[in-house]
Amino acid sequence: GQNIDQPTEMTATEGAIVQINCTYQTSGFNGLFWYQQHAGEAPTFLSYNVLDGLEEKGRFSSFLSRSKGYSYLLLKELQMKDSASYLCAVRDSNYQLIWGAGTKLIIKP
Amino acid sequence: TAGITQAPTSQILAAGRSMTLRCTQDMRHNAMYWYRQDLGLGLRLIHYSNTAGTTGKGEVPDGYSVSRANTDDFPLTLASAVPSQTSVYFCASSELPGGRTDTQYFGPGTRLTVL
Repeated sequence: GQNIDQPTEMTATEGAIVQINCTYQTSGFNGLFWYQQHAGEAPTFLSYNVLDGLEEKGRFSSFLSRSKGYSYLLLKELQMKDSASYLCAVRDSNYQLIWGAGTKLIIKP
Repeated sequence: TAGITQAPTSQILAAGRSMTLRCTQDMRHNAMYWYRQDLGLGLRLIHYSNTAGTTGKGEVPDGYSVSRANTDDFPLTLASAVPSQTSVYFCASSELPGGRTDTQYFGPGTRLTVL
């Protein structure tokens, strides 16, 4: 079966750095996405990785290792507005997205 | 640009009744999707459409039907609602299904409660 694993919840301090991990087992791989979802709102696109390595976009970076079936989202200089759920999704061999349950990130002052 | 709109925002529905959730996008995207999101679970694909005139079944299609008469609209119909269909429903669209950088953009969601 297909599976995406993420921690259910994480807590971090304002101004700090946090790493949210995602491991996957899917039938085929055609890219990995990270989305942010604030409570009661729609998911919004953050990043996309299809090759191994680090993609940096401002305070957010995303890393991929295809051989390990592993990705992480790194958030730097945390702000209170970063409190949200972070969703990992893998595009499988049928080009459909398989979604993890999401990681709820709580930022404390 | 409105992007993707969904209606209604929320609805309480009696079991056994039918309902259509509406989704409209103004980005001229080829592909559209319907997901449901339940607590503790990832988004699950109900149905999708890669282009106007075609539809396909996702992971959890039973009890739902869709149509894609034109590029902009992708309604989801529950023919006879059951309590297990209580969920938040998101419509999404993407420019080119399967394209290298194909990114899905989501509507604001419809919160449906079936009693």
